[in-house]
Amino acid sequence: GESVGLHLPTLSVQEGDNSIINCAYSNSASDYFIWYKQESGKGPQFIIDIRSNMDKRQGQRVTVLLNKTVKHLSLQIAATQPGDSAVYFCAEGFQKLVFGTGTRLLVSP
Amino acid sequence: DTEVTQTPKHLVMGMTNKKSLKCEQHMGHRAMYWYKQKAKKPPELMFVYSYEKLSINESVPSRFSPECPNSSLLNLHLHALQPEDSALYLCASRRTGKERGYTFGSGTRLTVV
Repeated sequence: GESVGLHLPTLSVQEGDNSIINCAYSNSASDYFIWYKQESGKGPQFIIDIRSNMDKRQGQRVTVLLNKTVKHLSLQIAATQPGDSAVYFCAEGFQKLVFGTGTRLLVSP
Repeated sequence: DTEVTQTPKHLVMGMTNKKSLKCEQHMGHRAMYWYKQKAKKPPELMFVYSYEKLSINESVPSRFSPECPNSSLLNLHLHALQPEDSALYLCASRRTGKERGYTFGSGTRLTVV
């Protein structure tokens, strides 16, 4: 079946570093991907999305890269701040979202 | 209004109780969703409503009963739940058509005792 998985459960970085969170997906027909940030006790918050006809998209301090050949996407956060500490999920889908397992990002001052 | 509002934020119920979770949005989104999230796990889809009609049921037990009375409101009726049903229940909405972005509410933290 469809699955979207992450490589690392926890990523620890220093404030100011760049963070990279990776995600693998198995459905080659996937055409839309979203990254969400979830803080404790809150719902998922949209960060950035990308469609399969693109390989890169940039937002404010964030960049998503999509490699359809190896079915891999990543989220890059520039100049990571303590407020970026959260669990990050990749998700795939149109009519319904399938979430990856999540990566906890810990940012130390 | 760009939010999905869920009430209550917290709910404790016994296994013989009947309760309901409520979700509301006024963004004109015609697709609405219920997700269940256990601790340290990703959200898992339960139900999808499209234009107020149930379009996807992910084999959810009948003790969970969704209802979409109008385009702005989504309910989840709970009856005879088990302790393992304790979780964060998330509602989301999406504008149908080419727009694909989902908006999530903050969830209802449910504890079954």
